[in-house]
Amino acid sequence: KAGVTQTPRYLIKTRGQQVTLSCSPISGHRSVSWYQQTPGQGLQFLFEYFSETQRNKGNFPGRFSGRQFSNSRSEMNVSTLELGDSALYLCASQSGGVYNEQFFGPGTRLTVL
Amino acid sequence: AQSVTQLDSHVSVSEGTPVLLRCNYSSSYSPSLFWYVQHPNKGLQLLLKYTSAATLVKGINGFEAEFKKSETSFHLTKPSAHMSDAAEYFCVVREPSGTYKYIFGTGTRLKVLA
Repeated sequence: KAGVTQTPRYLIKTRGQQVTLSCSPISGHRSVSWYQQTPGQGLQFLFEYFSETQRNKGNFPGRFSGRQFSNSRSEMNVSTLELGDSALYLCASQSGGVYNEQFFGPGTRLTVL
Repeated sequence: AQSVTQLDSHVSVSEGTPVLLRCNYSSSYSPSLFWYVQHPNKGLQLLLKYTSAATLVKGINGFEAEFKKSETSFHLTKPSAHMSDAAEYFCVVREPSGTYKYIFGTGTRLKVLA
């Protein structure tokens, strides 16, 4: 089975722009979660989608949004980029079941100039 | 609410010596617990997971962890460190009901000295 894929792997944007990141989960996985990782704040949970519905949400401003499609692929969007949005964005998929682990993609490195 | 605490932000060991990375959790229920490893500029990889079947859990690359309910701990160990073990390690607890959120610890950076 192919792993979790994220595109693009690297992205450079300027302040005020918006960006869309994509995540394709492992085949059959219906849950997709997004995380932001920075040296200062560590790993922070953004949101989780399950069967096209947002199931959980972290404490991020409304500039951060996401969605999930019927094939379980997910996108996250960040509008009006700020310098502090520079981070590694990780996507994880999970098949369901209380004891099942998340499988992580390689991440998208976003740099905001 | 569930939470997880990784007691050391940095750990240094010499190659060939034992590794101990400490993790304590709080949970009102029987938790699911995981350890992940992250090498520089990579995604997270699962090392092992506790699913209530056995208290001593063996993972990949010689790592293991013991679930101790009385101490609410899930420490990660390895008998002999290798240079390739240098990475960041995350302890994770998952809520078994309700929101089913994964709660991540703040991470422990392991340095292995030659």
